[in-house]
Amino acid sequence: IQLTQSPSSLSASVGDRVTITCRASQGIRNFLAWYQQKPGKAPDLLIYAASTLQSGVPSRFSGSGSGTDFTLTISGLQPEDFATYYCQHLDSMPITFGQGTRLEIK
Amino acid sequence: QVQLVESGGGVVQPGGSLRLSCEASGFTFSTYAMHWGRLAPGKGLEWVAVIWSDGGTKYYADSVKGRFTISRDNAKNILYLQMNSLRAEDTAVYYCVRSVQYGFDHWGQGNLVTVSS
Repeated sequence: IQLTQSPSSLSASVGDRVTITCRASQGIRNFLAWYQQKPGKAPDLLIYAASTLQSGVPSRFSGSGSGTDFTLTISGLQPEDFATYYCQHLDSMPITFGQGTRLEIK
Repeated sequence: QVQLVESGGGVVQPGGSLRLSCEASGFTFSTYAMHWGRLAPGKGLEWVAVIWSDGGTKYYADSVKGRFTISRDNAKNILYLQMNSLRAEDTAVYYCVRSVQYGFDHWGQGNLVTVSS
């Protein structure tokens, strides 16, 4: 199963609302997770089961979708949100990640 | 608290071998599936391999199948990744990861493997 994220990179300002999409090559029900990774750090789980916020993650992050089309939305960007974001499916083996979306400060 | 501490990385020549270890603490290791993932320079995250909690089931990414072997010692709370026939494209930071049904909820700090002559 291939995951295609768009856009590959994105420039935005503090306070903006941004949306990242992830499309699966076949249906994966809601077995989709989103991660944030900062340079030199391990990824952090943000969203699981397509729309459930991981404990401790700020409520400005939200996820939606089912089947093949998913979105990650960040409402009110904060300086610490500039990072790379990945989607991941866990529907079947092999697990795959999207190619990543780099979110940069405008 | 959950801790995953990788070791065993370094520089190795193409065709060589390396074994990564991951010491787990702060949770009941024997009840969780464990994975290895990697991040190559300038590339995105890649899932490498998984081993079920009892060690009886394993899966691999096509890119490493036949060359890498994942294993675990539940008595010692250690996860391993034996890497043979290493290639330049295996150069990456390797992460030990704990998974639950819905995602990868805890990651190690990462361990750099460089394949170069």
